[in-house]
Parts: sequence; C-alpha cells; structure tokens
Amino acid sequence: GQQVMQIPQYQHVQEGEDFTTYCNSSTTLSNIQWYKQRPGGHPVFLIQLVKSGEVKKQKRLTFQFGEAKKNSSLHITATQTTDVGTYFCAGLGSGTYKYIFGTGTRLKVLA
Amino acid sequence: GAVVSQHPSRVICKSGTSVKIECRSLDFQATTMFWYRQFPKKSLMLMATSNEGSKATYEQGVEKDKFLINHASLTLSTLTVTSAHPEDSSFYICSATTLDTQYFGPGTRLTVL
Repeated sequence: GQQVMQIPQYQHVQEGEDFTTYCNSSTTLSNIQWYKQRPGGHPVFLIQLVKSGEVKKQKRLTFQFGEAKKNSSLHITATQTTDVGTYFCAGLGSGTYKYIFGTGTRLKVLA
Repeated sequence: GAVVSQHPSRVICKSGTSVKIECRSLDFQATTMFWYRQFPKKSLMLMATSNEGSKATYEQGVEKDKFLINHASLTLSTLTVTSAHPEDSSFYICSATTLDTQYFGPGTRLTVL
C-alpha cells in the first residue's frame, strides 16, 4: 500500500536557524497537504499543494511539491520558538479519497 | 475556518466497557469523516472512513466489530470502542472534509484501566 515517509524524524535547531523537512511517497500523489501539531494538540492544516512543481509561501514557510508529485518539502526560514511542534505531510494517492499521513518531523527550537 | 468538535476530550474506563466518541462538524456539512488513531510521538493512523448514510470503510487490520462507526447525519459521526482493553488506550482524532481540506477535531484521549 501507499507509504509516506518523512525525514528527519527529529530536528533541534537554534532559534534563527533554518529548518527543512522532506516528505516522500511510494506512489504518485494527486495532492499533498501539510499540517502542524503542537505538543498536546491536534493537527492544524497549513497548506495544500496540487500542481507538479508547485511552490507556495506563507510568511517564513515555503512549501514545494516535486515535479513527479511523489515528494514535497517544507522549509522554515529563521525559526522561532513558536515553530515548535511536529510537522506532518499527508498525501492523497491518485484515484483514492483518503489521505495517508507521513511519519512526521518533530521540531524543537532552542532559544 | 471550519470547526470540528469531539466529545469527550478525555475518558477513563474500565477494561471490558464500551466508550462512545462523538465527532461533529459545527459550521459545515461533511459527507465524509475520518477516524484516526495516534500513539504517543507517532503519526496518525487512519482507522476508517465514515460516510453519511452508508457503512464505514475500515482500513486493513482495524476490527470493525471492535470499532463501531456510525455516521448518523451530515454533521455527526460516532466511534464506539467496544469491550475496551488497555491496548486500546490511545489518542483518537476525527476529521471532516470540506472543499478538499481536512479539519481535525481536538481529539479524545482514551485510557483503559
């Protein structure tokens, strides 16, 4: 079945440093979504990418969808302590209706 | 944005009892809701897809007789954990979709003693 992996599993950065998490699917995706889950909280929708090679920005966050629509990345510029949490990608496989969540990347930001 | 509520937020029960968790979309109608399970520091595992007016679709390995799902209306889906055991202790999260976006409920933490 479809699998979605994320690397790294954990990342500790100093405040102000950049951070990137990578998401890789075993199958081609129709679209991909990114979520942030704060400790003790529930996943919150960040963005959806649909087109091959698509790049979207939200302030310090840059999201990219690969040309082959099998991978994606989330890059945070100049991290802040408020960026702490686990970032999940969720991929919608072609011809399916359900999203499969990635393994997640847990980000810690040291002040 | 769209709001999804879950009730209860926390529940502690004795082994062998059943627990019902409600998931409601408060300001939109959701023909499809999803139920996930999340273990500590792990990802979300899709358990089943709940469709209004029809039977739920369960993922491989999820016991449909143990995790009963009912999608009674366009705004309500329930998950009942029957004859709960300690290994069922987990964080259960529902989501409802509208316009291709999933909105998650706040989750229910189930502890089975």
